[in-house]
Amino acid sequence: EVQLVESGGHLVQPGRSLRLSCTVSGFTFGDYAMSWVRQAPEKGLEWVGLIGSKTYGGTTQYAASVKGRFTISRDDSKSIAYLQMNSLKTEDTAVYYCSRGSGWLDYWDQGTLVTVSS
Amino acid sequence: EIVMTQSPATLSVSQGERATLSCRASQRVSSKIAWYQQKPGQAPRLLIYDASTRATAIPARFSGSGSGTEFTLTISSLQSEDSAVYYCQQYDNWPRTFGQGTKLEIK
Repeated sequence: EVQLVESGGHLVQPGRSLRLSCTVSGFTFGDYAMSWVRQAPEKGLEWVGLIGSKTYGGTTQYAASVKGRFTISRDDSKSIAYLQMNSLKTEDTAVYYCSRGSGWLDYWDQGTLVTVSS
Repeated sequence: EIVMTQSPATLSVSQGERATLSCRASQRVSSKIAWYQQKPGQAPRLLIYDASTRATAIPARFSGSGSGTEFTLTISSLQSEDSAVYYCQQYDNWPRTFGQGTKLEIK
């Protein structure tokens, strides 16, 4: 059974940093790209970025709204994807989802809430 | 950035009837479109990819069509559990982008 379990979301002040982790099981993690998507309260889905598999050089892509502040990485030995969020802004407040894939996203975790507020 | 525009914003359809949801891309995206269903408090669920291929375990009453810039998700014989917000997403170009969603209400 495919499972994605996310952790790390909580209340943080503007300008601070936070790292989210997404631990997966049930498939060969290293063979897949991993994506991050967020959803602000009462809003739609916003693609944040992704990291490709090692086969594709582990390359990353980011949305313009987070580029230069957020970094996605992966540890294939532990089957974990990370979203490092720096210089957080109030508009980064959202539920963050990790998901499998680089095109369509076929498995998603339950989401974790990140609240950026003073 | 490719802008995805969904219509209508809200759709109310009777149980047992058919619902048709539209998604338009601001430029051609071939058939690289996915559709997701999201219920309150839940993560999105993949329904359709490559514009018309049903994902694993998705009922046959869900179907997708279109290519280029115009796409449609059709849900035939609506059931109460189909009440949700539906999103389209393009993956032909970077950044990936989602539509703003269509809220489907079952009468």
